[in-house]
Amino acid sequence: KAGVTQTPRYLIKTRGQQVTLSCSPISGHRSVSWYQQTPGQGLQFLFEYFSETQRNKGNFPGRFSGRQFSNSRSEMNVSTLELGDSALYLCASSFHRDSYGYTFGSGTRLTVV
Amino acid sequence: GNSVTQMEGPVTLSEEAFLTINCTYTATGYPSLFWYVQYPGEGLQLLLKATKADDKGSNKGFEATYRKETTSFHLEKGSVQVSDSAVYFCALNAGGTSYGKLTFGQGTILTVHP
Repeated sequence: KAGVTQTPRYLIKTRGQQVTLSCSPISGHRSVSWYQQTPGQGLQFLFEYFSETQRNKGNFPGRFSGRQFSNSRSEMNVSTLELGDSALYLCASSFHRDSYGYTFGSGTRLTVV
Repeated sequence: GNSVTQMEGPVTLSEEAFLTINCTYTATGYPSLFWYVQYPGEGLQLLLKATKADDKGSNKGFEATYRKETTSFHLEKGSVQVSDSAVYFCALNAGGTSYGKLTFGQGTILTVHP
């Protein structure tokens, strides 16, 4: 059974650019969540999608957005990149009930220069 | 709001030593509790979970018991190995409308020496 796949693994962008990250969940998982991990702030929740609908959102500016497709694959977009957006972005998928636990991908390491 | 507090690290142990990593939480309602482990350069792996009071989660020799009276979910292992060296995160999902949202502790770095 394939795990959660995130692409690309590494990305270097210039301040002011925009970036799109991709996440393919485990087959059958319909919930996809995104997290930002930094040394200073730790792991912070960005948003969650289920059946193409955003059900929950963390405290991030509107520059951070996402979407989910009918096959449950999800993308995350960050516009007008800032140096502080440099982080490991993790995607997690779950069966429909949160208490089942979440399976994480290996993440996309974004560096903004 | 919901929060998770883990014991500060780093924790350094010798192989075969006993491990305890403390975790306490603040949450409304009845959260589900998790321990995740992160190896260098990788994402998070679910280590164990508990969904209600007095549940014990266990996996690969690690155990944690959901203690509602002390709002704790301490991670233990009787005999650690060098391969257990990693960062350990305690997390909760508050249930209700907290769809997909895990609240994490700050993480505890564990280093095990031969």
